[in-house]
Amino acid sequence: RKEVEQDPGPFNVPEGATVAFNCTYSNSASQSFFWYRQDCRKEPKLLMSVYSSGNEDGRFTAQLNRASQYISLLIRDSKLSDSATYLCVVRGSNYKLTFGKGTLLTVNP
Amino acid sequence: EAQVTQNPRYLITVTGKKLTVTCSQNMNHEYMSWYRQDPGLGLRQIYYSMNVEVTDKGDVPEGYKVSRKEKRNFPLILESPSPNQTSLYFCASHRQGASTDTQYFGPGTRLTVL
Repeated sequence: RKEVEQDPGPFNVPEGATVAFNCTYSNSASQSFFWYRQDCRKEPKLLMSVYSSGNEDGRFTAQLNRASQYISLLIRDSKLSDSATYLCVVRGSNYKLTFGKGTLLTVNP
Repeated sequence: EAQVTQNPRYLITVTGKKLTVTCSQNMNHEYMSWYRQDPGLGLRQIYYSMNVEVTDKGDVPEGYKVSRKEKRNFPLILESPSPNQTSLYFCASHRQGASTDTQYFGPGTRLTVL
């Protein structure tokens, strides 16, 4: 099983759609969880941390299920500017980040 | 402004010609790391450093060296570059402490080895 596995995508959705990204991780000792966003060939940037209780930031909702080792990201009312690659990221006890391969999202007018 | 800088941003070189990619951060972060990003493989860690004079191998360290003589700088050295090291490289840093601390990335260095 890969350390961090994401939906392979790509996702093409119309503006206003709701889109969900899923991610699983293999190391049950993982300590922190994140979603990063990466625009084409630019540096990854933190979108949001993911907490066990679930957390929301505007149109973005992240969920973590430690028992299932599963992380999700939901984007509501998607905008053209949401087009990017979304990276699921897991941090271990040694602060090392392990990245999923990313899922490309294209929001179409 | 908090930032991670990398130089050069773009480099085309030839096999065997030693090169160094510099990385500097102005946030007094303890932890720094280097990643390479390749199509279909995602971001993979090359080396990391948990503080001055403390470095360790990541997932793909072969063909690379690093040093951490000062807290702010973490250069990546390719002693004898080969074409399979053609890639997009990112340096990153974060504060060692709270597990949810953000990792800041540099803008990337696009390296082509001919």
